Amino acid sequence: KQEVTQIPAALSVPEGENLVLNCSFTDSAIYNLQWFRQDPGKGLTSLLLIQSSQREQTSGRLNASLDKSSGRSTLYIAASQPGDSATYLCAVILFGGATNKLIFGTGTLLAVQP
Amino acid sequence: KAGVTQTPRYLIKTRGQQVTLSCSPISGHRSVSWYQQTPGQGLQFLFEYFSETQRNKGNFPGRFSGRQFSNSRSEMNVSTLELGDSALYLCASSIAGGSRETQYFGPGTRLLVL
Repeated sequence: KQEVTQIPAALSVPEGENLVLNCSFTDSAIYNLQWFRQDPGKGLTSLLLIQSSQREQTSGRLNASLDKSSGRSTLYIAASQPGDSATYLCAVILFGGATNKLIFGTGTLLAVQP
Repeated sequence: KAGVTQTPRYLIKTRGQQVTLSCSPISGHRSVSWYQQTPGQGLQFLFEYFSETQRNKGNFPGRFSGRQFSNSRSEMNVSTLELGDSALYLCASSIAGGSRETQYFGPGTRLLVL
């Protein structure tokens, strides 16, 4: 059974700091991995989608990497801002299963202090 | 282009009642998936509809059901509500539900069962 774990569960950093969020998955046979952010009481916003054949994706201050062999992904946020405060979730789609069934991680609650 | 919309945003029901939630996908998207989010279990896949047919189903009891209309709008129904059904229910849409597609989430419906 695929398990997706995110470390740390919570993180507080001062504004301007660069930070890394981690995502680990037990089954490396995945179609893709997606990073989302969720603001309190709201839906999910897609940040980055990495296909299984790719090693990283970048969007603005965000960079996500994927290492299928080790079952790990990292989300790098450069020059963090208070507006980055949210819960960050990673999710994988398992190869051989439903092509769009997302299996979510446990989430990292990020607080960026002004 | 308008995003995914969900109605109602908030609901309060009592045990034993039933409830219907609605999701309108992004125009042109034919795949709609539903997820349940609770503090204890996180985000879990309920089911996915494509072209008015349920294509995939998660591990939830039969009290949870859904349907999709010809305009791709989807509804989910929960019968005989239990306290444990209190959750944020999210729907996501994508063009065809393929593994390479980004899924776009709505703001969710928060259900409270008393």
